[in-house]
Amino acid sequence: DGGITQSPKYLFRKEGQNVTLSCEQNLNHDAMYWYRQDPGQGLRLIYYSQIVNDFQKGDIAEGYSVSREKKESFPLTVTSAQKNPTAFYLCASSIVAGEKQQFFGPGTRLTVL
Amino acid sequence: DQQVKQNSPSLSVQEGRISILNCDYTNSMFDYFLWYKKYPAEGPTFLISISSIKDKNEDGRFTVFLNKSAKHLSLHIVPSQPGDSAVYFCAASARGNEKLTFGTGTRLTIIP
Repeated sequence: DGGITQSPKYLFRKEGQNVTLSCEQNLNHDAMYWYRQDPGQGLRLIYYSQIVNDFQKGDIAEGYSVSREKKESFPLTVTSAQKNPTAFYLCASSIVAGEKQQFFGPGTRLTVL
Repeated sequence: DQQVKQNSPSLSVQEGRISILNCDYTNSMFDYFLWYKKYPAEGPTFLISISSIKDKNEDGRFTVFLNKSAKHLSLHIVPSQPGDSAVYFCAASARGNEKLTFGTGTRLTIIP
């Protein structure tokens, strides 16, 4: 059945290493999003993509990079430039850009040691 | 600058009673509001939404009320059930903008 897959659920990395978080959707949605959640805070938008081969920075893009080579895939790379990378990362999608209702994946908890 | 605020970090309600979760916003350009429910270590799931042309939207046990003049919305859950225990996020969006701005969430605990 359709949905958004994020893998792995838990990820550990050493400080200074880049790490890529996977996000795949089979909903045939055009738009995809990456959010970060920290304790006691709401979801903050990192990057979003309205169509293939296009993406825009969100509110906290520094230290992150993305690609959108395929409609169903929107991987997020957390680089060593991200000063506080330990967080819960959520991927979402919407049918088209501008559609307000977003569907979320299960999330990846990244811990940088 | 927190444009969407949920001032109650937590709320406890007896099973069967009404749960009322509140959300305030500051950006007058917001014209669409959503509520999401989130269990620990899972992604949020959409609950209910409301457009600024309405002041109420109902879906089963869930009702959202919007007071535009006060820039305030609330989610009512009645009757509350144990499975409603979760974190609830309020989100807002402006016309022509696909970005959602989320509040900090309210943890709802339903007491059996």
